[in-house]
Amino acid sequence: DAGITQSPRHKVTETGTPVTLRCHQTENHRYMYWYRQDPGHGLRLIHYSYGVKDTDKGEVSDGYSVSRSKTEDFLLTLESATSSQTSVYFCAISGSVGMEGPGYLLDTQYFGPGTRLTVL
Amino acid sequence: KQEVTQIPAALSVPEGENLVLNCSFTDSAIYNLQWFRQDPGKGLTSLLLIQSSQREQTSGRLNASLDKSSGRSTLYIAASQPGDSATYLCAVRENNAGNMLTFGGGTRLMVKP
Repeated sequence: DAGITQSPRHKVTETGTPVTLRCHQTENHRYMYWYRQDPGHGLRLIHYSYGVKDTDKGEVSDGYSVSRSKTEDFLLTLESATSSQTSVYFCAISGSVGMEGPGYLLDTQYFGPGTRLTVL
Repeated sequence: KQEVTQIPAALSVPEGENLVLNCSFTDSAIYNLQWFRQDPGKGLTSLLLIQSSQREQTSGRLNASLDKSSGRSTLYIAASQPGDSATYLCAVRENNAGNMLTFGGGTRLMVKP
């Protein structure tokens, strides 16, 4: 457990509604990522952040926006949810700053438990 | 564009067997390769990370090798146990600024008692 939580863990919403998923870390990692996981497509990167207010697009960023106003929180927003965005969303972190102890390698990505989102 | 492939997609073995999972990638200019385990309905757990300059990494019954020039990595599991049943994913990081990973589709392993 690398101190990553995601909320909510499950959400059902309707097409056209806005949705925000939250990723929270307690380990002061520099990098944070949002992935989606779908059968037949595996894990694909949506957006990532390399510092507070520093974000960039990943492979499947259309329809998503992100924000990172403080080190510990990375928000993923679906402005107007569509059925194609039904998926399991994972947050990940890497690039520990000031961490000590075994297991916290700079390049290793640590994943949160996931959020299952269903858009009806 | 980097593509990562894992073969086989699914594998069923009896308990105690040694097994090898394969991962191949199309662009050999990688920074490192990481193996993960995912249990049903759960997140990913990092197992091993191999830097591009390394040939292998070991952790307990797991050994991962990397042949960057041929674009291949293998994950060797010794003396498999039912608790090893999970999906195993490999992911490569290229020389990019964001530590971003490209994932394979995974191998779903079942170890039968």
